[in-house]
Amino acid sequence: NAGVTQTPKFQVLKTGQSMTLQCAQDMNHNSMYWYRQDPGMGLRLIYYSASEGTTDKGEVPNGYNVSRLNKREFSLRLESAAPSQTSVYFCASSVGGPDTQYFGPGTRLTVL
Amino acid sequence: GESVGLHLPTLSVQEGDNSIINCAYSNSASDYFIWYKQESGKGPQFIIDIRSNMDKRQGQRVTVLLNKTVKHLSLQIAATQPGDSAVYFCAEIYSSASKIIFGSGTRLSIRP
Repeated sequence: NAGVTQTPKFQVLKTGQSMTLQCAQDMNHNSMYWYRQDPGMGLRLIYYSASEGTTDKGEVPNGYNVSRLNKREFSLRLESAAPSQTSVYFCASSVGGPDTQYFGPGTRLTVL
Repeated sequence: GESVGLHLPTLSVQEGDNSIINCAYSNSASDYFIWYKQESGKGPQFIIDIRSNMDKRQGQRVTVLLNKTVKHLSLQIAATQPGDSAVYFCAEIYSSASKIIFGSGTRLSIRP
C-alpha cells in the first residue's frame, strides 16, 4: 500500500494563477482532509470529506475549493492564488472520524 | 477558547536520556488526545493516543500522561535516539463534532 500520496511535491505560482493539488489514498478510507501548515502554527483544516460525495468547510476554507472525485481521490483547488496561501499542504485520510489520520508527504506551495 | 499549545518550541536532549514534551489544552470537552511525530519533509505520523478517561498510556519507548486537573498532556520518550529528532505535536479530538485541534509543535533535537 502506498498510503496517502500527494502531487506535486513542490509548486511555485504567481499571484492570480490557479492550480489543483491532488491527493489519493489506497486504504479504502471514508474520510479525507486537507490541511495547511504554516511556520510556528499547528495544522489548520481547510476542507474535509466525510464520505464520497460530501464535502464540508473546515477552519480556513476561504480561497479554496475541493472535489471528492471518488472514494480514493480528494483534490484541492486554488482558483486565484495569493501570497497568503504560501504554505505546506497536507492531505490525510481516516476510516471514519478525525482520529488516527494518515497523512501524505505534503505539497510545499509558494505564491510570489 | 479552544486552544492546544506547547510550553517549549524547542527541546535539546542528550542521546540516551529521556525526553519530555509538554502540551497544554484549554477545553475539557475533548474525547481523547493524540501525539504526532513529524520528521523534516514528511507528513505527521501517529505515535500514541490517550482517551480522556485515562491518566497514562504506554507504548514502545513512549508514555503519554494526561492530567485533566491542570489540563496538561505530556509525551515521554525513553532512551532518546537520533531517529527521534523531529517536531512533536499534540492534537485534541472532539469525536461528537468530528473536530480535531492541533498544537503548534515542539522541535526535539538530539545531542550526540
